[in-house]
Amino acid sequence: DGGITQSPKYLFRKEGQNVTLSCEQNLNHDAMYWYRQDPGQGLRLIYYSQIVNDFQKGDIAEGYSVSREKKESFPLTVTSAQKNPTAFYLCASIRNRAAGYGYTFGSGTRLTVV
Amino acid sequence: GENVEQHPSTLSVQEGDSAVIKCTYSDSASNYFPWYKQELGKGPQLIIDIRSNVGEKKDQRIAVTLNKTAKHFSLHITETQPEDSAVYFCAPENSNTGNQFYFGTGTSLTVIP
Repeated sequence: DGGITQSPKYLFRKEGQNVTLSCEQNLNHDAMYWYRQDPGQGLRLIYYSQIVNDFQKGDIAEGYSVSREKKESFPLTVTSAQKNPTAFYLCASIRNRAAGYGYTFGSGTRLTVV
Repeated sequence: GENVEQHPSTLSVQEGDSAVIKCTYSDSASNYFPWYKQELGKGPQLIIDIRSNVGEKKDQRIAVTLNKTAKHFSLHITETQPEDSAVYFCAPENSNTGNQFYFGTGTSLTVIP
């Protein structure tokens, strides 16, 4: 079955440490997105990529970095510059924006600073 | 960007009753109107959507209605069941020009058995 796989499901980060969250899709979708969700909050866009080797900042990109070397993969690195990284991180993809299709989401990674 | 508001923020209904969640938006050029359901600890899942050339769409117990003049659309759930308990998000979009969806802040629905 096609879908989006996020790993790990739970991740613990020490102060000053960089961590990378994995996102892989086998849907052949062009565009991929990273969202952050805080408790009781909506989704806020971190980064998105519409094609390989290209990506744009979203509303809260500071302290995060991404790469898009393959169509299937869009990893997110949470750097030590992100002062409050504890949150639920969601990766999503979309087939064709112009045609008006909704997102397909992964199951999320819960990141906690210890 | 799009300014999106959802009401109510929390909703409790008895099993079997109906639930309605409203989403208002600011961009009059928005043309795609999806609703997502997020169960605890999971990613959101698209449950129903509507495009601007249609006023209403139904899929079994759920329906979405659109009022473009007033710039709002609503999610209707009939004969609610405990498994409908979740957080629901709207995310209206202008698919011709937008690069991202703007999500509402969510509505937490609890269906009481």
